[in-house]
Amino acid sequence: ETGVTQTPRHLVMGMTNKKSLKCEQHLGHNAMYWYKQSAKKPLELMFVYSLEERVENNSVPSRFSPECPNSSHLFLHLHTLQPEDSALYLCASSKTGGPSYGYTFGSGTRLTVV
Amino acid sequence: QKEVEQDPGPLSVPEGAIVSLNCTYSNSAFQYFMWYRQYSRKGPELLMYTYSSGNKEDGRFTAQVDKSSKYISLFIRDSQPSDSATYLCAMSRKAAGNKLTFGGGTRVLVKP
Repeated sequence: ETGVTQTPRHLVMGMTNKKSLKCEQHLGHNAMYWYKQSAKKPLELMFVYSLEERVENNSVPSRFSPECPNSSHLFLHLHTLQPEDSALYLCASSKTGGPSYGYTFGSGTRLTVV
Repeated sequence: QKEVEQDPGPLSVPEGAIVSLNCTYSNSAFQYFMWYRQYSRKGPELLMYTYSSGNKEDGRFTAQVDKSSKYISLFIRDSQPSDSATYLCAMSRKAAGNKLTFGGGTRVLVKP
């Protein structure tokens, strides 16, 4: 375990389904992130939550909806996805308020949209 | 032009060889530089972290930053099959807080 736990590890969903990805950290970090990792592409930052407030939303389609109820938990709600949304979705956490020390990543959720 | 460029590889080397990885970047405001290692079906894990220019060594790993050339490197000495993974560079600006910009990753294969 890396300290950041993501569930489920694998998810197959139809385009009309609604599902949620969950991320949990108990590292005392106060910033959490969702990244999308597609084959042969750099990690794409989707959302940033700092102190439980969303501080960045990188033009992500509305079919992705994040939720951060507290500093330890982060969700990504999925609705009417497209096949091109199939990817590895990574959650990460970090400390805020100072120089960047890097992120701690979870193992990701491998999402397949059929 | 991408902010961070990284050769995707794959880079195949025999066991015991030196692995040399690098990234170039365009934003001169980057001050914090990191290397992550990602094994198959896992999330990236932080390997090395450096601030500004210079070298940093940690065991078999050496990270170098040349800000004048906007070029960073990672060297792995005495490579092992367990070093086979994808290596991603990442960097950030001080003013950007914790926002990281990643390279696309280089896949490395160390053959026994």
